[in-house]
This record gives sequence, structure tokens and C-alpha cells, in this order.
Amino acid sequence: GAVVSQHPSRVICKSGTSVKIECRSLDFQATTMFWYRQFPKQSLMLMATSNEGSKATYEQGVEKDKFLINHASLTLSTLTVTSAHPEDSSFYICSASVSGVVNEQFFGPGTRLTVL
Amino acid sequence: DQQVKQNSPSLSVQEGRISILNCDYTNSMFDYFLWYKKYPAEGPTFLISISSIKDKNEDGRFTVFLNKSAKHLSLHIVPSQPGDSAVYFCAASAVDDKIIFGKGTRLHILP
Repeated sequence: GAVVSQHPSRVICKSGTSVKIECRSLDFQATTMFWYRQFPKQSLMLMATSNEGSKATYEQGVEKDKFLINHASLTLSTLTVTSAHPEDSSFYICSASVSGVVNEQFFGPGTRLTVL
Repeated sequence: DQQVKQNSPSLSVQEGRISILNCDYTNSMFDYFLWYKKYPAEGPTFLISISSIKDKNEDGRFTVFLNKSAKHLSLHIVPSQPGDSAVYFCAASAVDDKIIFGKGTRLHILP
């Protein structure tokens, strides 16, 4: 199946700093990438949908100025958590779709962010 | 308001027996349902799906049943194997809309 990677897998940062998470589709071109967040024992919550070359579409309640998403190429999307705070500590997972079809998403391994 | 509900946070099943994971949904616009498997510190892996025009889909040891009138679906794993121990997420989507996930059920396969 299609492979999606994320980097870094874990990151610990101080409050107030910014953290960038990369999501790459390794063996296919992804027209659409999705960013999710998962809190412990909770479901994956969609944060935003990004299409290559255009602005991301954010879900209600997700601050676009805090969670900057860039989808500069068909194989790379980045999520930058700006001025991170302890409440941003979470598991962030990206997924990619070849066709843009929502049901056909391949997930990355996730990034564990801990903000001290 | 949770549109996709997995009411059992965990389930323990003896190896070789059948595992049944349940999922309920509230949105009648959902027309596609998926099950994902997730190991700790990894992203979800797609397992099996079913369209609303079907009531059963089978793939090897995994079978998903859909009861539209009850807004209920279930995943059957038989026979259960140790490698099946993981968190299973039920998910649903409406046409061209985002996937909504349940909270997951942790399955423990006992030796």
C-alpha cells in the first residue's frame, strides 16, 4: 500500500516555541493531505484539509494562525504549531489521499508533541 | 455530539475465538463506513470498509456487518490472533465529506 511518513516521531519543546511537523507521501503523489489530532483515549479529530498549492481548509474551532499548514508539493505537507503551549501536547497524525477521495486515506505514523 | 460511538473502551477475547467490535452512529447521511487498526505510537491502518448499499463485507478473517435501520455496524474477527491486539477505530463519512472517527476499542487477545 501507499506509504506516508512523518517527522519527527516525537518532539519535546518549551512553551512559547514553534514546532514544525512534516508529512511526506513516499511512493505516490498526494493531491490532498489531512491533519488530525488525537488526545489520550479520544478519537482522531480532523484539524484541517490541505490541497497542494492552495490554502488549507480548517475545521471549526481550529485556529489557523496557531496551526499553520503548508502543502507546497504533491509529496509534502507541513504543520507548524506556533507558540506552543502545554495544552497543545497531543498526538498529531497526517494522512494523504491519492485521488482526493476522503475515504481513501493513508495515515502516517504520527508525531507525539509534548510541550513543557 | 458524538456522531460515531464505540461504547466499549476495551474488550478481551481468548485466542482462537471470535472478536466482535461494535459501533453505532447517529448521522443518517453517512454512506461509507471504515474500520482502522492502530498500534501504540503508530498511525491508523485501514482494515476493511463497507458501503451503505451493502450489509456485509468480508475480507479473510475480518467481516463487517452493517444494520442501517439500527445505525449499527460491527467488526467480526475470527479466529482471533495475538497480533490482533490493538485499538480499533470505527469511522464513517458522508459523500465527499470528512471521516468521523469513534473513540476506539482496545482489543486484547488472551493466550
